[in-house]
Order: sequence, then structure tokens, then C-alpha cells
Amino acid sequence: EADIYQTPRYLVIGTGKKITLECSQTMGHDKMYWYQQDPGMELHLIHYSYGVNSTEKGDLSSESTVSRIRTEHFPLTLESARPSHTSQYLCASSESGRSYNEQFFGPGTRLTVL
Amino acid sequence: SQQGEEDPQALSIQEGENATMNCSYKTSINNLQWYRQNSGRGLVHLILIRSNEREKHSGRLRVTLDTSKKSSSLLITASRAADTASYFCATGRNSGNTPLVFGKGTRLSVIA
Repeated sequence: EADIYQTPRYLVIGTGKKITLECSQTMGHDKMYWYQQDPGMELHLIHYSYGVNSTEKGDLSSESTVSRIRTEHFPLTLESARPSHTSQYLCASSESGRSYNEQFFGPGTRLTVL
Repeated sequence: SQQGEEDPQALSIQEGENATMNCSYKTSINNLQWYRQNSGRGLVHLILIRSNEREKHSGRLRVTLDTSKKSSSLLITASRAADTASYFCATGRNSGNTPLVFGKGTRLSVIA
């Protein structure tokens, strides 16, 4: 098991609510990622960070935002949730300074927006 | 568009049979990785093969890489019901400074 944690594991909320999905890792990895994945489907990279105060948008346009104030913490925020945001959100991290960036994944947060 | 494309999309086999999944990609790569995902969980890294390698083994897993055809295969020998999962290939470019690009996955069902 990788030392990367996501909370909550499941979240059901109403439209218009602001939510923050938490992701923390204790491996000291500089690189962290957020993916969106519908059940049984491909992963879409929505945000990534290569270190503190560094964030980039991924391939999939997303209405979410991220922050990286501490190395171990990479929260994702939805300012106003909509039913189209219903999905599974996976956080991952990888080590810097290596040529091959094997990623370690958290267990995911399954979000349902009513 | 996605770099990796797995084939088949879904595979159903009997316990004890071998399972082969294929992955094709479009651009030059530094390495190719295979991940496994149990239903409702995160992905777990299985094996990595570098662009200058042609074959790699890890337990019941065998990975091949053909850079001329831009393709890779994952073979699981003597499959077990516990191997039931989705399997994704992911490609890494240059020195690892760009995120991995994941394929669409193959859903493997191993029937006891």
C-alpha cells in the first residue's frame, strides 16, 4: 500500500455547494497529480504540481482549482459543484530526480452531485 | 488524444489460462508502465519497461516492448480469479518531466 491518502472516500452533495477533496502523501514526493475517472473508463489528468507553489492544468478542462502550499498536501476545490462533476477523483504522486516517474495512487474519492 | 490505446477493451478467460493485453502509442517514449486497478480503487504500479528494453518479467507478468511498432503487450500467465481488474498502460516521455499519459484500459475478468 502506498502512503497516499484521500478524504473523503465518498461524498454526496447538492448542486452549488463548494467542496474540497483532500490528498496527502507521506513519501516526500515533489510531484502530485489529480485525475478524473468515470467508472470503468480512462483517466483524465486535470491538474498536476511539481513542487510547492507550482500548479499546472492537465489535459482535461476542469472547473476545479488546486493549491500546493506544502509538499505533502494537494487539495482540489470545486467552487460550485454540478451534476456533471459526478465522477471518481484519483490523486497520485511521484518522486522527482528520477528518469522514470512511477506514480503512486490514493484510493480515490467518489463524488456524487445531486 | 490519449497516447496509449489498450486492446482488447474487455477480456474474459477461465482461471489457469493466460491473458494477453496490448497497448499502442503514438509518439516516442522514454518508458512504458503497466498499472492495475481493482474496482473502485486507485491504480497500482505493476511493471516498467524502458525504451531500450524489449522484454521484462516480474512473477507471472511478462511485458514486451516494440518501439518500431510503438506497441507493448502484457501477458499474465496462469491467471487467477484475483487477477480480475482493469489494466492500464502509461507512457512516459523524455526525462520524466511530463506527466504519464494513460490509455483507456483493458477490463479483465477471470472466471473460477
